[in-house]
Amino acid sequence: EADIYQTPRYLVIGTGKKITLECSQTMGHDKMYWYQQDPGMELHLIHYSYGVNSTEKGDLSSESTVSRIRTEHFPLTLESARPSHTSQYLCASSPHRGNYNEQFFGPGTRLTVL
Amino acid sequence: QKEVEQNSGPLSVPEGAIASLNCTYSDRGSQSFFWYRQYSGKSPELIMSIYSNGDKEDGRFTAQLNKASQYVSLLIRDSQPSDSATYLCAGARNRDDKIIFGKGTRLHILP
Repeated sequence: EADIYQTPRYLVIGTGKKITLECSQTMGHDKMYWYQQDPGMELHLIHYSYGVNSTEKGDLSSESTVSRIRTEHFPLTLESARPSHTSQYLCASSPHRGNYNEQFFGPGTRLTVL
Repeated sequence: QKEVEQNSGPLSVPEGAIASLNCTYSDRGSQSFFWYRQYSGKSPELIMSIYSNGDKEDGRFTAQLNKASQYVSLLIRDSQPSDSATYLCAGARNRDDKIIFGKGTRLHILP
């Protein structure tokens, strides 16, 4: 079982603020992902990384950016938060070994932009 | 467009009965399949992975894969109220590929 952490767990912030959602994992997983999920709705992949200095945009267009300077850390940044960014943000990681690519999810950050 | 299709439900099953959750996928190159359970307001939790045709059992859970029919299923025996959740089916081509998630099936176990 992967140990993957997200902070903060809940964030209420005003429009226009810059925010960074933190995600870290202690399993040495190469691959990390950010998903956005509204209540009762499907998961949308917004960013992913296959290793240090590797970042790619996902299937859902997002105004956020990510960085991967260290294997264990994959923060997501919103330069100017808007009410449309209100959602749950889920970070996940998976190992890069054999044929296995199960993803393990962190507890999520619930973001509310007023 | 790679897709994983699931009936959104809700699927209502009496306590103690077998719950059967189904999933189809469009990409014939998919090799790995996963079932996740997601409680309301929580993050998805991996409960089963399956890579070969046939059945794979883990406790009360059995995953079934039929690559010829492009069909994956999850059986939950002796259903409990704590099994009430949304179940996400997912597939991927290989270890370097992104996982494609279905929209999930809501399961409600009736006490």
